[in-house]
Amino acid sequence: EDQVTQSPEALRLQEGESSSLNCSYTVSGLRGLFWYRQDPGKGPEFLFTLYSAGEEKEKERLKATLTKKESFLHITAPKPEDSATYLCAVRHPQGGGADGLTFGKGTHLIIQP
Amino acid sequence: DGGITQSPKYLFRKEGQNVTLSCEQNLNHDAMYWYRQDPGQGLRLIYYSQIVNDFQKGDIAEGYSVSREKKESFPLTVTSAQKNPTAFYLCASSRGTVNTGELFFGEGSRLTVL
Repeated sequence: EDQVTQSPEALRLQEGESSSLNCSYTVSGLRGLFWYRQDPGKGPEFLFTLYSAGEEKEKERLKATLTKKESFLHITAPKPEDSATYLCAVRHPQGGGADGLTFGKGTHLIIQP
Repeated sequence: DGGITQSPKYLFRKEGQNVTLSCEQNLNHDAMYWYRQDPGQGLRLIYYSQIVNDFQKGDIAEGYSVSREKKESFPLTVTSAQKNPTAFYLCASSRGTVNTGELFFGEGSRLTVL
């Protein structure tokens, strides 16, 4: 069973059509949830850190929220340049390596003009 | 500008050959990491290093080796013992110790075994 699950796997939106991406986790002892953006053929770029339920972070058209078992990345009035794969990662005591990070498989977002 | 530089961007290898991927950072970060990315899978940790001359195995270290002789450099060698080396390899760094999820990534190296 995956500890971090992102949905949907892929999402196609029209420019200006708002939506949300989901990251759900089954780990206990959450020590942080992280969102990244990855463009094709490039390394991920850090976006947000969330630590506790109810916390929200915003950056331009993106807003990340956190509950006890999931996080949402809300995209408001997206533009074609928002097209990318969005990765979620969770830090927890059972995670890989000393950093305890477990990554989800990502949501591939396409914004059509 | 500070950042992480990975080279080469593309690399082709014949079976049985060792290859070394370079990773250099000028962010003055203490911790460095190597991840592997395969289609349909999340990033998986190969090795990480918190300080010079020290490194630890991640989840999928078999068939890989690393060194950390300088703070700025963390090269990864993919040995012939790695059974399925074709993948996208990502180097990353972070401030302070490894107790963070805020990683700075390089642009990646794509290795293809012929």
